[in-house]
Amino acid sequence: AQSVTQLGSHVSVSEGALVLLRCNYSSSVPPYLFWYVQYPNQGLQLLLKYTSAATLVKGINGFEAEFKKSETSFHLTKPSAHMSDAAEYFCAVSESGANNLFFGTGTRLTVIP
Amino acid sequence: EPEVTQTPSHQVTQMGQEVILRCVPISNHLYFYWYRQILGQKVEFLVSFYNNEISEKSEIFDDQFSVERPDGSNFTLKIRSTKLEDSAMYFCASSLDRGTTDTQYFGPGTRLTVL
Repeated sequence: AQSVTQLGSHVSVSEGALVLLRCNYSSSVPPYLFWYVQYPNQGLQLLLKYTSAATLVKGINGFEAEFKKSETSFHLTKPSAHMSDAAEYFCAVSESGANNLFFGTGTRLTVIP
Repeated sequence: EPEVTQTPSHQVTQMGQEVILRCVPISNHLYFYWYRQILGQKVEFLVSFYNNEISEKSEIFDDQFSVERPDGSNFTLKIRSTKLEDSAMYFCASSLDRGTTDTQYFGPGTRLTVL
């Protein structure tokens, strides 16, 4: 069975500071991993995904994530937070070829001016 | 940019009533999904749909739930007799191709409140 754990339901960073959102996964098979972002009153938008190619994945809006098998982690980072990054971020895992995503509980990012 | 839309944004219903949540997927997509998120909990997969039939469903998707693509554009989720525990945010998603290697595009969600 697959699952993800997102540490920290709320994260606050100052504008310009490093953003680090944590995600650990559990999977009995090589996983596919995803980060989605949800802005207020909008749908979930894919930020980036890992599908067994390069372990460092670059996404939209300057975000990136690194797949670390030894740590079963897929943490999301951005070097410098912007006010527009304030949103809810969801980590998700799936099996190769499967239809369904298994999501974490989400992390709400607040950016302080 | 094409997007998935969902109506209504908020639905309030009495326990035991039937509700239909509506979604308009992206027009050329072939695979459709419903997920839900109970407040404070994880986003959970309910069902996937392709070629007018269910391709996968979770344990949550019991006989009280059904899905339909009635007219080639809408994709609906019906809950026959709502329970208090059905209160949640329901997300529709669509993708062009099968499997999660292809991006699933999500709608903004319908918040269902069962009283």
